[in-house]
Amino acid sequence: DGGITQSPKYLFRKEGQNVTLSCEQNLNHDAMYWYRQDPGQGLRLIYYSQIVNDFQKGDIAEGYSVSREKKESFPLTVTSAQKNPTAFYLCASSIDGAYNSPLHFGNGTRLTVT
Amino acid sequence: AQSVAQPEDQVNVAEGNPLTVKCTYSVSGNPYLFWYVQYPNRGLQFLLKYITGDNLVKGSYGFEAEFNKSQTSFHLKKPSALVSDSALYFCAVRGVNNNAGNMLTFGGGTRLMVKP
Repeated sequence: DGGITQSPKYLFRKEGQNVTLSCEQNLNHDAMYWYRQDPGQGLRLIYYSQIVNDFQKGDIAEGYSVSREKKESFPLTVTSAQKNPTAFYLCASSIDGAYNSPLHFGNGTRLTVT
Repeated sequence: AQSVAQPEDQVNVAEGNPLTVKCTYSVSGNPYLFWYVQYPNRGLQFLLKYITGDNLVKGSYGFEAEFNKSQTSFHLKKPSALVSDSALYFCAVRGVNNNAGNMLTFGGGTRLMVKP
Protein backbone atom coordinates (compact mmCIF):
# COMPACT_ATOMS: atom_id res chain seq x y z
CA ASP A 1 0.00 0.00 0.00
CA GLY A 2 1.19 3.48 -0.78
CA GLY A 3 1.57 5.95 2.00
CA ILE A 4 3.74 8.04 4.26
CA THR A 5 5.83 6.45 6.99
CA GLN A 6 7.04 8.46 9.93
CA SER A 7 9.43 6.99 12.43
CA PRO A 8 9.72 6.63 15.29
CA LYS A 9 6.20 7.04 16.67
CA TYR A 10 7.50 8.27 20.03
CA LEU A 11 10.84 9.97 20.63
CA PHE A 12 12.40 11.16 23.86
CA ARG A 13 15.42 13.43 24.05
CA LYS A 14 17.31 15.46 26.57
CA GLU A 15 17.39 19.23 26.23
CA GLY A 16 20.33 20.43 24.17
CA GLN A 17 20.41 17.42 21.83
CA ASN A 18 19.59 17.54 18.14
CA VAL A 19 17.13 14.93 16.93
CA THR A 20 16.11 13.84 13.42
CA LEU A 21 12.60 12.71 12.51
CA SER A 22 12.21 10.43 9.53
CA CYS A 23 9.59 10.78 6.79
CA GLU A 24 9.40 8.46 3.77
CA GLN A 25 6.72 8.32 1.09
CA ASN A 26 6.09 5.85 -1.73
CA LEU A 27 3.30 7.81 -3.37
CA ASN A 28 5.62 9.33 -5.99
CA HIS A 29 4.57 12.78 -4.78
CA ASP A 30 6.68 15.78 -5.67
CA ALA A 31 5.81 18.00 -2.70
CA MET A 32 6.45 17.24 0.96
CA TYR A 33 5.76 19.18 4.15
CA TRP A 34 6.46 19.23 7.87
CA TYR A 35 3.84 20.49 10.32
CA ARG A 36 3.89 20.90 14.05
CA GLN A 37 0.71 20.28 16.05
CA ASP A 38 0.15 21.71 19.51
CA PRO A 39 -3.11 21.39 21.46
CA GLY A 40 -5.64 24.04 20.46
CA GLN A 41 -3.36 25.63 17.85
CA GLY A 42 -4.06 23.55 14.80
CA LEU A 43 -1.17 22.77 12.50
CA ARG A 44 1.67 25.14 11.75
CA LEU A 45 3.96 24.74 8.76
CA ILE A 46 7.66 24.29 9.50
CA TYR A 47 9.20 23.59 6.09
CA TYR A 48 8.03 22.44 2.69
CA SER A 49 9.67 21.13 -0.45
CA GLN A 50 8.11 21.17 -3.89
CA ILE A 51 10.93 19.36 -5.64
CA VAL A 52 14.10 17.44 -4.86
CA ASN A 53 17.03 19.55 -3.64
CA ASP A 54 14.78 22.52 -2.93
CA PHE A 55 12.90 23.53 0.21
CA GLN A 56 11.35 26.64 1.72
CA LYS A 57 10.74 27.91 5.23
CA GLY A 58 7.23 27.87 6.57
CA ASP A 59 5.77 29.94 9.37
CA ILE A 60 7.84 28.50 12.23
CA ALA A 61 11.16 27.35 10.72
CA GLU A 62 13.43 28.72 13.45
CA GLY A 63 15.27 25.93 15.26
CA TYR A 64 14.54 23.35 12.55
CA SER A 65 16.37 22.12 9.46
CA VAL A 66 15.47 19.80 6.58
CA SER A 67 16.97 18.17 3.53
CA ARG A 68 15.44 16.77 0.36
CA GLU A 69 18.10 14.67 -1.33
CA LYS A 70 15.64 12.08 -2.59
CA LYS A 71 12.06 12.39 -3.79
CA GLU A 72 10.91 9.80 -1.26
CA SER A 73 12.53 11.28 1.84
CA PHE A 74 12.20 14.55 3.77
CA PRO A 75 13.85 14.27 7.20
CA LEU A 76 13.39 16.99 9.81
CA THR A 77 16.06 17.87 12.36
CA VAL A 78 14.95 19.56 15.55
CA THR A 79 17.98 21.44 16.81
CA SER A 80 18.88 22.62 20.28
CA ALA A 81 18.00 26.13 19.11
CA GLN A 82 14.29 25.25 19.07
CA LYS A 83 12.99 26.77 22.31
CA ASN A 84 9.94 24.56 22.79
CA PRO A 85 10.44 21.35 20.82
CA THR A 86 7.98 19.08 22.61
CA ALA A 87 5.11 18.56 20.15
CA PHE A 88 3.44 16.21 17.70
CA TYR A 89 5.15 16.41 14.30
CA LEU A 90 3.32 15.53 11.11
CA CYS A 91 4.82 14.92 7.70
CA ALA A 92 2.66 15.26 4.60
CA SER A 93 2.94 15.04 0.85
CA SER A 94 0.92 16.12 -2.16
CA ILE A 95 1.10 15.00 -5.75
CA ASP A 96 2.40 18.40 -6.72
CA GLY A 97 2.55 21.89 -5.31
CA ALA A 98 -0.71 22.96 -6.92
CA TYR A 99 -3.26 24.94 -4.96
CA ASN A 100 -5.94 22.28 -5.07
CA SER A 101 -3.88 19.18 -4.28
CA PRO A 102 -4.96 17.63 -0.98
CA LEU A 103 -2.31 16.63 1.51
CA HIS A 104 -1.65 13.04 2.55
CA PHE A 105 -0.37 12.73 6.11
CA GLY A 106 1.77 10.28 7.98
CA ASN A 107 0.76 9.11 11.47
CA GLY A 108 3.11 11.50 13.20
CA THR A 109 5.99 11.45 15.64
CA ARG A 110 5.43 12.59 19.20
CA LEU A 111 8.63 14.23 20.45
CA THR A 112 9.20 14.83 24.14
CA VAL A 113 12.22 16.85 25.25
CA THR A 114 13.06 17.02 28.95
CA ALA B 1 -2.54 37.22 5.76
CA GLN B 2 -4.96 34.35 5.46
CA SER B 3 -6.68 32.86 8.49
CA VAL B 4 -9.22 30.24 9.52
CA ALA B 5 -11.51 30.28 12.53
CA GLN B 6 -13.27 27.29 14.01
CA PRO B 7 -15.33 28.95 16.73
CA GLU B 8 -16.28 25.78 18.62
CA ASP B 9 -13.66 23.77 20.47
CA GLN B 10 -16.13 20.91 20.82
CA VAL B 11 -19.44 19.90 19.27
CA ASN B 12 -21.66 17.32 20.95
CA VAL B 13 -24.38 15.51 19.03
CA ALA B 14 -26.50 12.42 19.53
CA GLU B 15 -26.10 9.52 17.13
CA GLY B 16 -28.56 9.78 14.26
CA ASN B 17 -28.90 13.56 14.55
CA PRO B 18 -27.51 15.97 11.97
CA LEU B 19 -24.18 17.60 12.74
CA THR B 20 -22.52 20.87 11.75
CA VAL B 21 -18.93 21.90 12.38
CA LYS B 22 -18.37 25.58 11.68
CA CYS B 23 -15.53 27.23 9.79
CA THR B 24 -14.99 30.80 8.64
CA TYR B 25 -12.00 32.07 6.69
CA SER B 26 -10.19 35.16 5.50
CA VAL B 27 -8.05 35.23 2.36
CA SER B 28 -7.03 37.50 -0.48
CA GLY B 29 -8.64 36.41 -3.70
CA ASN B 30 -10.60 33.23 -4.22
CA PRO B 31 -10.23 30.54 -1.58
CA TYR B 32 -9.40 26.88 -1.85
CA LEU B 33 -11.01 25.23 1.18
CA PHE B 34 -10.43 21.83 2.74
CA TRP B 35 -11.71 19.69 5.58
CA TYR B 36 -9.55 17.06 7.28
CA VAL B 37 -10.30 14.60 10.10
CA GLN B 38 -7.87 13.32 12.71
CA TYR B 39 -8.33 10.24 14.87
CA PRO B 40 -6.31 9.90 18.12
CA ASN B 41 -2.54 9.67 17.62
CA ARG B 42 -2.92 9.56 13.85
CA GLY B 43 -2.28 11.91 10.96
CA LEU B 44 -4.97 13.91 9.23
CA GLN B 45 -7.17 12.38 6.56
CA PHE B 46 -8.59 14.42 3.68
CA LEU B 47 -12.42 14.63 3.68
CA LEU B 48 -13.36 17.11 0.96
CA LYS B 49 -12.40 20.31 -0.80
CA TYR B 50 -13.98 23.32 -2.48
CA ILE B 51 -12.18 24.77 -5.47
CA THR B 52 -14.88 26.23 -7.67
CA GLY B 53 -18.36 25.43 -8.93
CA ASP B 54 -21.23 24.04 -6.89
CA ASN B 55 -21.33 25.52 -3.40
CA LEU B 56 -22.29 22.17 -1.86
CA VAL B 57 -19.37 19.78 -1.87
CA LYS B 58 -19.72 16.09 -1.07
CA GLY B 59 -16.86 14.13 0.44
CA SER B 60 -15.89 10.93 2.19
CA TYR B 61 -17.93 9.05 4.83
CA GLY B 62 -21.16 10.91 4.00
CA PHE B 63 -19.81 14.36 4.89
CA GLU B 64 -20.55 17.46 2.90
CA ALA B 65 -19.70 21.12 3.20
CA GLU B 66 -21.36 24.29 2.04
CA PHE B 67 -19.34 27.19 0.70
CA ASN B 68 -20.87 30.60 1.39
CA LYS B 69 -18.88 33.41 -0.17
CA SER B 70 -20.85 36.28 1.38
CA GLN B 71 -20.43 34.87 4.87
CA THR B 72 -16.88 33.57 4.16
CA SER B 73 -17.89 30.25 5.65
CA PHE B 74 -17.34 26.60 4.82
CA HIS B 75 -19.30 24.59 7.38
CA LEU B 76 -18.98 20.80 7.50
CA LYS B 77 -22.23 18.84 7.72
CA LYS B 78 -23.58 15.33 7.90
CA PRO B 79 -27.29 14.42 7.89
CA SER B 80 -26.98 11.59 10.42
CA ALA B 81 -24.05 11.31 12.82
CA LEU B 82 -22.36 8.05 13.77
CA VAL B 83 -20.44 7.30 16.96
CA SER B 84 -17.48 6.48 14.72
CA ASP B 85 -17.50 10.10 13.46
CA SER B 86 -16.11 11.19 16.81
CA ALA B 87 -12.75 12.78 16.03
CA LEU B 88 -10.92 16.09 15.62
CA TYR B 89 -11.87 18.07 12.52
CA PHE B 90 -9.75 20.71 10.85
CA CYS B 91 -10.73 23.32 8.30
CA ALA B 92 -7.96 24.71 6.08
CA VAL B 93 -7.73 27.47 3.49
CA ARG B 94 -5.35 28.53 0.80
CA GLY B 95 -5.72 31.78 -1.10
CA VAL B 96 -5.18 31.50 -4.83
CA ASN B 97 -3.14 34.68 -4.87
CA ASN B 98 -0.66 33.42 -2.30
CA ASN B 99 2.71 33.12 -4.02
CA ALA B 100 4.50 31.42 -1.16
CA GLY B 101 3.98 27.89 -2.32
CA ASN B 102 1.24 25.47 -1.41
CA MET B 103 0.85 26.76 2.12
CA LEU B 104 -2.38 25.80 3.78
CA THR B 105 -3.53 27.64 6.87
CA PHE B 106 -5.33 25.40 9.35
CA GLY B 107 -7.93 26.27 11.93
CA GLY B 108 -7.45 25.24 15.54
CA GLY B 109 -9.65 22.18 15.20
CA THR B 110 -13.07 21.16 16.54
CA ARG B 111 -13.57 18.00 18.53
CA LEU B 112 -16.75 16.20 17.53
CA MET B 113 -18.30 13.91 20.13
CA VAL B 114 -21.16 11.70 18.97
CA LYS B 115 -22.98 9.97 21.80
CA PRO B 116 -25.02 6.78 21.42
